[in-house]
Amino acid sequence: EPEVTQTPSHQVTQMGQEVILRCVPISNHLYFYWYRQILGQKVEFLVSFYNNEISEKSEIFDDQFSVERPDGSNFTLKIRSTKLEDSAMYFCASSGTGRDGYTFGSGTRLTVV
Amino acid sequence: RKEVEQDPGPFNVPEGATVAFNCTYSNSASQSFFWYRQDCRKEPKLLMSVYSSGNEDGRFTAQLNRASQYISLLIRDSKLSDSATYLCVVNEGSNYQLIWGAGTKLIIKP
Repeated sequence: EPEVTQTPSHQVTQMGQEVILRCVPISNHLYFYWYRQILGQKVEFLVSFYNNEISEKSEIFDDQFSVERPDGSNFTLKIRSTKLEDSAMYFCASSGTGRDGYTFGSGTRLTVV
Repeated sequence: RKEVEQDPGPFNVPEGATVAFNCTYSNSASQSFFWYRQDCRKEPKLLMSVYSSGNEDGRFTAQLNRASQYISLLIRDSKLSDSATYLCVVNEGSNYQLIWGAGTKLIIKP
């Protein structure tokens, strides 16, 4: 079964440092997403990406965040200057049509210290 | 405000019992509906899509009531492995953004 893969599985970083979270979506999918989940809380939407551009972003996705699809396979989330409150599980997801259910990666646990 | 509401539980249910979850959504224009399952510290996994006519997959049955804006999930003959958090998810349709409920925690006891 096709998978969305995410690396690294766990990243620890110091406050103020930049981090890049990487994702390889399912190859024939067209819609890509980043979500995050703070421990014990709801899954929260960050950003959706289609046709090589951001289609929607939440209020969480401020100027510290950016996404890229540099080579047609990887889909990255960059946090420029991490804050303690950025500590969360970050999930990448992809979808074929945008209307069907998404496939999630296994997540990157980001810990900001 | 876009909302998807679920009873957080936990539901403590003996093995073999039938359990039902409900979920309500606020946006009447919502187009697609899903149940996801999430194990502790794992990614959400799609359990089933929910169609207007209702649908069944083995021990799981999902129903959609558009008039009342609620979605249900029924699990029959529950197994220990069904213990998880069940997330109700609604696709708004405009940019295909998923709106997530907070989840209902299910604990199946032997």
